[in-house]
Amino acid sequence: AQSVSQHNHHVILSEAASLELGCNYSYGGTVNLFWYVQYPGQHLQLLLKYFSGDPLVKGIKGFEAEFIKSKFSFNLRKPSVQWSDTAEYFCAVTTLTGGGNKLTFGTGTQLKVEL
Amino acid sequence: GAVVSQHPSRVICKSGTSVKIECRSLDFQATTMFWYRQFPKQSLMLMATSNEGSKATYEQGVEKDKFLINHASLTLSTLTVTSAHPEDSSFYICSAKYMPGTGAWHEQYFGPGTRLTVT
Repeated sequence: AQSVSQHNHHVILSEAASLELGCNYSYGGTVNLFWYVQYPGQHLQLLLKYFSGDPLVKGIKGFEAEFIKSKFSFNLRKPSVQWSDTAEYFCAVTTLTGGGNKLTFGTGTQLKVEL
Repeated sequence: GAVVSQHPSRVICKSGTSVKIECRSLDFQATTMFWYRQFPKQSLMLMATSNEGSKATYEQGVEKDKFLINHASLTLSTLTVTSAHPEDSSFYICSAKYMPGTGAWHEQYFGPGTRLTVT
């Protein structure tokens, strides 16, 4: 079975700082990769996803992520964070088993952006 | 975008009672919905996949007789926690798949979650 690791549980940044959140997965086959965000008091929203093609994917709100197959990684980046980016971020993966719709989530990273 | 609602948002019940949580897709039809459970400071764990008009598929380790799932219409799935105990206290989140079909991935839209506390 696949698993997802997010090594940064809590991250605190100042506004305008650059962000990189780590995500590693374990699965030997083809995967689809996702980053979700949960703003305080709101539901999970999709930030971006990777299925195939260009390993550098761009999402909403200036976020991007790079799929590095050799490292089983899908790190999330943003060059300059804003206070409004304060949220919890979840990396997730699906595989082709189960119809490709069963999401396996990482434990999440709580990001706090200070003014 | 597609909206998924959950009701109630919070519920407190006594040990031994049952509680029902509703998940509705408000502006689209969802043949497949998913139920997740989230413990504090932990990830979302998939409990079951709910398919309209058929029995739910439960993940390994999830008691189907304790967590009853009904997906009677294309816009509503319910999760009933039967004979609840304090260890069932958790945050329950549903999601709805935007497009029907299998094999291809379709975006899931998540509900806001339901906080269950069993006393």
